[in-house]
Amino acid sequence: DTGVSQNPRHKITKRGQNVTFRCDPISEHNRLYWYRQTLGQGPEFLTYFQNEAQLEKSRLLSDRFSAERPKGSFSTLEIQRTEQGDSAMYLCASSFPLAGGGTDTQYFGPGTRLTVL
Amino acid sequence: AQKITQTQPGMFVQEKEAVTLDCTYDTSDQSYGLFWYKQPSSGEMIFLIYQGSYDEQNATEGRYSLNFQKARKSANLVISASQLWDSAMYFCAMRGNSGGYQKVTFGTGTKLQVIP
Repeated sequence: DTGVSQNPRHKITKRGQNVTFRCDPISEHNRLYWYRQTLGQGPEFLTYFQNEAQLEKSRLLSDRFSAERPKGSFSTLEIQRTEQGDSAMYLCASSFPLAGGGTDTQYFGPGTRLTVL
Repeated sequence: AQKITQTQPGMFVQEKEAVTLDCTYDTSDQSYGLFWYKQPSSGEMIFLIYQGSYDEQNATEGRYSLNFQKARKSANLVISASQLWDSAMYFCAMRGNSGGYQKVTFGTGTKLQVIP
């Protein structure tokens, strides 16, 4: 399978615990994105990497959230001191910039569904 | 700021019929891209079709076509010959190109149910 992969697919945790999710993008894609999707809503942008550099962060990404992409390949999203409001689907996407700077298409992984009890 | 509006929370369509899912957008960017994604109950977002703001022709991909009306700021998705497996959530999204801005903004989605 050469698509975007995410692990784990499901995570149940108790309030106050830390959790970490992993995303492996499509191999030739140097852009990587994290989104959060709550029930009945569309995905909301969290952050964006180009190679290993984190270039954009949403205000939704509080100081309890941190994302890394140390070698410009896979990425991790960590949530510290989880709260019940963090329960959501966390989606990762990747893309490759088009020549000439046009709009590149983001391809999504299957997501990690987080439930905070 | 960018905004996507999908006014149809749910739609029903008879199998083999065509259906149009509405999407309007708002942006101050001169150059932007519009996307449609499908999200089945399994949760994965599946890319369907893309339209660039400067593309002169409406995008088509198999049974999917995008009815792009730039002056009206609308980008409706047309699915021809609906199949039962088309039942899913459909999201309209856009991305502007100003200042290296990479964020994609999604609408709230339309739940399509195809009836046998």
